Amino acid sequence: AIQMTQSPSSLSASVGDRVTITCRASQGIRNDLGWYQQKPGKAPKLLIYGASSLQSGVPSRFSGSGSGTDFTLTISSLQPEDFATYYCLQDYNYPWTFGQGTKVEIK
Amino acid sequence: QVQLVESGGGVVQPGRSLRLSCAASGFTFRSYAMHWVRQAPGKGLEWVAVITYDGSNENYADSVKGRFTISRDNSKNTLYLQMNSLRAEDTAVYYCAKDWRGYDLDYWGQGTLVTVSS
Repeated sequence: AIQMTQSPSSLSASVGDRVTITCRASQGIRNDLGWYQQKPGKAPKLLIYGASSLQSGVPSRFSGSGSGTDFTLTISSLQPEDFATYYCLQDYNYPWTFGQGTKVEIK
Repeated sequence: QVQLVESGGGVVQPGRSLRLSCAASGFTFRSYAMHWVRQAPGKGLEWVAVITYDGSNENYADSVKGRFTISRDNSKNTLYLQMNSLRAEDTAVYYCAKDWRGYDLDYWGQGTLVTVSS
């Protein structure tokens, strides 16, 4: 199975900060990667698909980039509602695999 | 609007079985593949299984292969997960999720908690 290594596992940031989360695949996955946001007690929500396409209804401060093995999720200006845990998911082949998650906390 | 409602969770002893259901509405269920994803308490997400739109093909995580079976009834707009030989490490919230374009999970249920304990 493809392993997804996500970093950092947690970070502290302030409202207005630029935040970057990375995900590395153990083998090339083209651009078959999505980013999901999960708030406590809630189901995950799709933010980015195809590594860089913004899901409908998601604010434009979220962006994704990368291809092959290295991927990045960027939040350009962190808002209070963005404090959550973020996961990458490779959907290149089965079994699909998630990164370990990045918890974004308030500084 | 799309709704996915899981049910069937509960407390079960190790080695026993449990069947989860996911009732779908608000979209053409028979046209989409469907997935199960789980999350152990305080842990990250783990993809569990997928079934094609017509039920003709399935895939599983190595951790559940041979013990879990995903199925669907398109006449009832319902997805299932039959879980056999349950272990303590299967304790988790189980989410059903709708596949989108064959690559992503665009709608999720609220989850149902399965606790495996003696």
